[in-house]
Amino acid sequence: QVQLVESGGGVVQPGRSLRLSCAASGFTFSSYGMHWVRQAPGKGLEWVALIWYDGNDKYYTDSVKGRFTISRDNSKNTLYLQMNSLRAEDTAVYYCATDGPPQDYGGSYPLDYWGQGTLVTVSS
Amino acid sequence: DIQMTQSPSSLSASVGDRVTITCRASQSISSYLNWYQQKPGKAPKLLIYAASSLQSGVPSRFSGSGSGTDLTLTISSLQPEDFATYYCQQSYNTPRTFGGGTKVEIK
Repeated sequence: QVQLVESGGGVVQPGRSLRLSCAASGFTFSSYGMHWVRQAPGKGLEWVALIWYDGNDKYYTDSVKGRFTISRDNSKNTLYLQMNSLRAEDTAVYYCATDGPPQDYGGSYPLDYWGQGTLVTVSS
Repeated sequence: DIQMTQSPSSLSASVGDRVTITCRASQSISSYLNWYQQKPGKAPKLLIYAASSLQSGVPSRFSGSGSGTDLTLTISSLQPEDFATYYCQQSYNTPRTFGGGTKVEIK
């Protein structure tokens, strides 16, 4: 079965960096696009970033452009989110999720499998 | 960027009630709309994709409809396990924006 396990969260001071990982298993990781989605405490879901199956295309929400980098290592079945210049407003649970292939989902691209999330707290 | 506006932001309902949640897009998204359910402390779960297709394993009391800018999620007969927060999300383009969520509470 599909399993996504995030790690790397913790408490970090403003302006510092953190790298999140998402270990994938139970599917052909190299065939799927992958997302990061975050949720600030008590708030709604915010889409953060997407990387294509081969790593060749990456997309970000405006608030993290230039500070966050999404990447993947298909040989290790692992997705990453490098977060630099962290701000208090980046405090959230960060989820990784798979990009559902359109041929399986009527042409749509839902986020079909999610990890359990890892908490990032940016505080001095 | 496409803005997704959900309404209401919260509602109180009883077991057996019919519940409808609306998602409005700032521009046409055709049927590139997905719905998720999230319970406290848990990851979101995909309910409906492509506006109206039920994800495998999701009860048939859930349904989606609409296209363009106005889409809806309906729960035909609310069950105790359906009390949760529901989010719409467009997959028409990036950024893949979510609606603000609708919290369904017990009346």
